[in-house]
Amino acid sequence: LAKTTQPISMDSYEGQEVNITCSHNNIATNDYITWYQQFPSQGPRFIIQGYKTKVTNEVASLFIPADRKSSTLSLPRVSLSDTAVYYCLVGPNTGGFKTIFGAGTRLFVKA
Amino acid sequence: EPEVTQTPSHQVTQMGQEVILRCVPISNHLYFYWYRQILGQKVEFLVSFYNNEISEKSEIFDDQFSVERPDGSNFTLKIRSTKLEDSAMYFCASSEPMGTNTEAFFGQGTRLTVV
Repeated sequence: LAKTTQPISMDSYEGQEVNITCSHNNIATNDYITWYQQFPSQGPRFIIQGYKTKVTNEVASLFIPADRKSSTLSLPRVSLSDTAVYYCLVGPNTGGFKTIFGAGTRLFVKA
Repeated sequence: EPEVTQTPSHQVTQMGQEVILRCVPISNHLYFYWYRQILGQKVEFLVSFYNNEISEKSEIFDDQFSVERPDGSNFTLKIRSTKLEDSAMYFCASSEPMGTNTEAFFGQGTRLTVV
């Protein structure tokens, strides 16, 4: 399974755009990139998933360069409620695989 | 919105006792998972389950652990003889087998405290 590296923490202010980058140098051809969000004492919550180029949903955008060795989660106009831990995961797009969560990035959004 | 439900939300047990953590996955999902998260640490994969058998398990999932789908709706994690180090949040998750989006839906967790 591809190992991922993310910044340990990031600070931002309300209304700003936040970009969290994840490195996954040994990503395999059939691996997808998935981001989850976790609030304290809650289960992780899916944010977005992609394979290449750009994916956008109502919550975030995911940018993946051509070599796929990194990806960037973009959160537009963050609010205080976006303070959470964000995890980047890499793995095949099939169910049942052993999912490895890294340490994640702790995002603090300040007023 | 469909959700994964877990019971109990908090369980306290004495060391050496058996505990069963219960989960009701989303009804049309076919893959089921258990994870744990020790306080302040990262989420750790324990096991995945499909078609009434274990698909993958981690090194944490030793002989003390077992999973079962006793009926068409519940998915349980049993810890046979709990240790202090089993104290953690245990999360159940479920997903569809494959497709363009293999989002795993997580429950709210069961906080297990072993004393």
